[in-house]
Amino acid sequence: EPEVTQTPSHQVTQMGQEVILRCVPISNHLYFYWYRQILGQKVEFLVSFYNNEISEKSEIFDDQFSVERPDGSNFTLKIRSTKLEDSAMYFCASCPGVAYNEQFFGPGTRLTVL
Amino acid sequence: GEDVEQSLFLSVREGDSSVINCTYTDSSSTYLYWYKQEPGAGLQLLTYIFSNMDMKQDQRLTVLLNKKDKHLSLRIADTQTGDSAIYFCAEIVGANNLFFGTGTRLTVIP
Repeated sequence: EPEVTQTPSHQVTQMGQEVILRCVPISNHLYFYWYRQILGQKVEFLVSFYNNEISEKSEIFDDQFSVERPDGSNFTLKIRSTKLEDSAMYFCASCPGVAYNEQFFGPGTRLTVL
Repeated sequence: GEDVEQSLFLSVREGDSSVINCTYTDSSSTYLYWYKQEPGAGLQLLTYIFSNMDMKQDQRLTVLLNKKDKHLSLRIADTQTGDSAIYFCAEIVGANNLFFGTGTRLTVIP
């Protein structure tokens, strides 16, 4: 069964460094998402992406964040200058279409900022 | 803004039924979802209900929706130890973005 994959499973970085989190959505899906979950808290929407551009973003998704689909298979989340409070689990999700009612989630990347 | 509330913890004995409750605020949500998160894993969609339905049953899972009170519940019949996980309710906001509740940690006691 096709699934969303994410790499790495765990990323440790120093404050101020740039990180890129990678996701491979399910092929033929059209909508892509990033969510994050700070330890012990709820899962929060960051950004949605469709047709090579951002569809919606939350107030969390500030200028430090960017997303890209560089090659038609990968979907990346870049954090330019990480802060301690960026430490969280980051989940990628994909969806076949907006009328479809399931987003398929990846296993997540745990980002630790020291 | 949106707010989705759940109680944080629930403990049940194996074989009993579990009922996990959720209240939400966005009355325009078309779909409401229940996701399961096992330790160290991603989010798995368990079931969903369309907003014009009152109830949906799927094997051991029963979802009840009270639109007037904006209350959603998930009942798990014959709860098993493998059901121990965090359960999130979620509603659709915006174009197709999920807004999650705080999550309920279900512990099943053998």
